[in-house]
Amino acid sequence: QVQLRESGPGLVKPSETLSLTCSVAGASISSSDNRWVWIRQPPGKGLEWVGNIYYSGNTFSNPSLKSRVAISVDTSQNYFSLNLNSVTAADTAVYYCARRRAGSALIDSWGQGTLVTVSS
Amino acid sequence: QSALTQPASVSGSPGQSITISCTGTSSDIGNYNFVSWYQQHPGKAPKLMIYDVTKRPSGVSNRFSGSKSGNTASLTISGLQTEDEADYYCNSYTSDSTWVFGGGTKLTVL
Repeated sequence: QVQLRESGPGLVKPSETLSLTCSVAGASISSSDNRWVWIRQPPGKGLEWVGNIYYSGNTFSNPSLKSRVAISVDTSQNYFSLNLNSVTAADTAVYYCARRRAGSALIDSWGQGTLVTVSS
Repeated sequence: QSALTQPASVSGSPGQSITISCTGTSSDIGNYNFVSWYQQHPGKAPKLMIYDVTKRPSGVSNRFSGSKSGNTASLTISGLQTEDEADYYCNSYTSDSTWVFGGGTKLTVL
C-alpha cells in the first residue's frame, strides 16, 4: 500500500515561493516504474496538472507555469518536492501529490491534498 | 497547452446511461492511448475510474467504461445511480511530454 503525504505552509505571501514536500511510503522514489506528480485545484475550479518528475530527475511542467516551477526528488529520504516562485492569489489551491505508473495514465496513489493560500 | 474540452454539465435519471465527452487534438488524445477519467465528490480527492482509455482499476464498477474515437475520448456510465453524482475530469498525455486535464463535467442524477 503506497501512501503519500503532502506537507508545507498553508499560507504564503504574494511574490514569495510556495514550497511543498510529498513523503512517500511503501514505494521507492528511485524506481523506474514510477513517476511522481503534482496536481492542483483552485477552490471551486477544476484540476490542473502542475508537473512530474522521473526517478532519473527529469522533470516536465505545465507550460503555463514552467518558468516558475521546480520539482526535485530526494532519494535518500524518499520524498519529492515542489517549489513555485513569484506566487499570486491565482496560485491558491489544494495541491495534491500522486504516483503515476510508468508507461501508463494510471495514477494509483494520491496524497490527501493540502490547501495553500496566497495572501498577505 | 489548452485544456481538453468537456461539457459543463450532463444529467440523467437513475438506471439510465450517460456519456461524457472529452475533446482534444492530434497532439494529445488523438495520438496517445494515455487517457484517464476521474470522479470527484465535493471536498474529496479525485478517484481514478478509467485509465489508458478503456482500463478499469480494481474495485471500480463495470458500469463505468471508456472509449476513444479520433481526438475525442468518452466516459460512459450505465445503470446510473445517485452516488454517481459528482464532477468528472478527463486527462491526457500530450506530445510535449506533459499532461492536460479537461475542464470538468458536473453530473447530476435527477
